[in-house]
Amino acid sequence: SQTIHQWPATLVQPVGSPLSLECTVEGTSNPNLYWYRQAAGRGLQLLFYSVGIGQISSEVPQNLSASRPQDRQFILSSKKLLLSDSGFYLCALIRGQGLVAYGYTFGSGTRLTVV
Amino acid sequence: GENVEQHPSTLSVQEGDSAVIKCTYSDSASNYFPWYKQELGKGPQLIIDIRSNVGEKKDQRIAVTLNKTAKHFSLHITETQPEDSAVYFCAAVPNSGGSNYKLTFGKGTLLTVNP
Repeated sequence: SQTIHQWPATLVQPVGSPLSLECTVEGTSNPNLYWYRQAAGRGLQLLFYSVGIGQISSEVPQNLSASRPQDRQFILSSKKLLLSDSGFYLCALIRGQGLVAYGYTFGSGTRLTVV
Repeated sequence: GENVEQHPSTLSVQEGDSAVIKCTYSDSASNYFPWYKQELGKGPQLIIDIRSNVGEKKDQRIAVTLNKTAKHFSLHITETQPEDSAVYFCAAVPNSGGSNYKLTFGKGTLLTVNP
């Protein structure tokens, strides 16, 4: 079965420091991968998605960037963190075939606090 | 793009009662509608989903109904238990005409089941 690994689970970083969050998947190949952020108040905001190696689409302009160096690896980065980058970051795996979508799985998330 | 509205934002019920959460979507081409349960500090977990070619789906105490004409779908939880307390999200997948599946989420419903 497909699984997603995210680390670290929690992170406290000072303003202006760099960030690197990693997401890796198992049990599937060529998945669509997604980074979501969940701020206080529950809403899930799509940040980036990737349909393949080196292919990144950004949904909102921000202080973050994403990369997909390998088929099963998705990385969220920042050169200089802002206070507003605090939140709960979730990696998601979505499998699709043609126009049929199936198999949506979220990772366990990373709680980022910028101080 | 797709827009998903979810109501209510909070719902409090007594143990054993039923709970209903409703969502509407805007893109008539959306063809997949998952529901997620998110417990505090964890990633969302898929609990049930429905496709546009099905009107109703049931899994033990949980059921989802879909009205394509009205573009709304609902989650029904019967015989609620305290462990059902969580935030519930509905989502829709718009038919983008390609493989870039992106979930559009509702804003979530905080369900509290009182013993």
